[in-house]
Amino acid sequence: GAGVSQSPSNKVTEKGKDVELRCDPISGHTALYWYRQSLGQGLEFLIYFQGNSAPDKSGLPSDRFSAERTGGSVSTLTIQRTQQEDSAVYLCASSSDLYEQYFGPGTRLTVT
Amino acid sequence: GQNIDQPTEMTATEGAIVQINCTYQTSGFNGLFWYQQHAGEAPTFLSYNVLDGLEEKGRFSSFLSRSKGYSYLLLKELQMKDSASYLCAVRDGTSGSARQLTFGSGTQLTVLP
Repeated sequence: GAGVSQSPSNKVTEKGKDVELRCDPISGHTALYWYRQSLGQGLEFLIYFQGNSAPDKSGLPSDRFSAERTGGSVSTLTIQRTQQEDSAVYLCASSSDLYEQYFGPGTRLTVT
Repeated sequence: GQNIDQPTEMTATEGAIVQINCTYQTSGFNGLFWYQQHAGEAPTFLSYNVLDGLEEKGRFSSFLSRSKGYSYLLLKELQMKDSASYLCAVRDGTSGSARQLTFGSGTQLTVLP
């Protein structure tokens, strides 16, 4: 079956611009996560959605970052006024239970 | 909060056995995961431990000791394709959501012929 998909796969933007990253989770998965991974680093949790519950935004690094999940499916991560330190791979994962999280291929964001 | 430590790099020979250690400090514990990540690709799930002991799955095994805050991933009969980064991740059982994972920085394994 189809896995988690993300778009775009690569995004180059100028400092100060806004960007939107999209995640399509596996159909039927109620949980959706956003992480980011800087070069040579582990994954850093950003935000978590579970069903209709209020999202866990505890990992968002600043108020420039926001995310929404429409209809319990597709999610969009928005970064406003991008900074060079925002450059990273942004990974989305979905899960149907407490165990395995299935990751998408990621979006590589480069802020110039 | 969480603190997860694992070696940055390891090297082993094709056909050998390698053990990748992970230690963690957490205010709560609700499971430990190992993921494999090849360069430029997304992480893929390898194993999950929530109780003490060894979980075996083919060439890969994972061990957990909750009292010691310690886990290891054991890879047997190494193959060249096993060259990848191995990520240890802990789920905190005390947080409200209790599902997000905290990842270590990963151990880059290089398998030599």
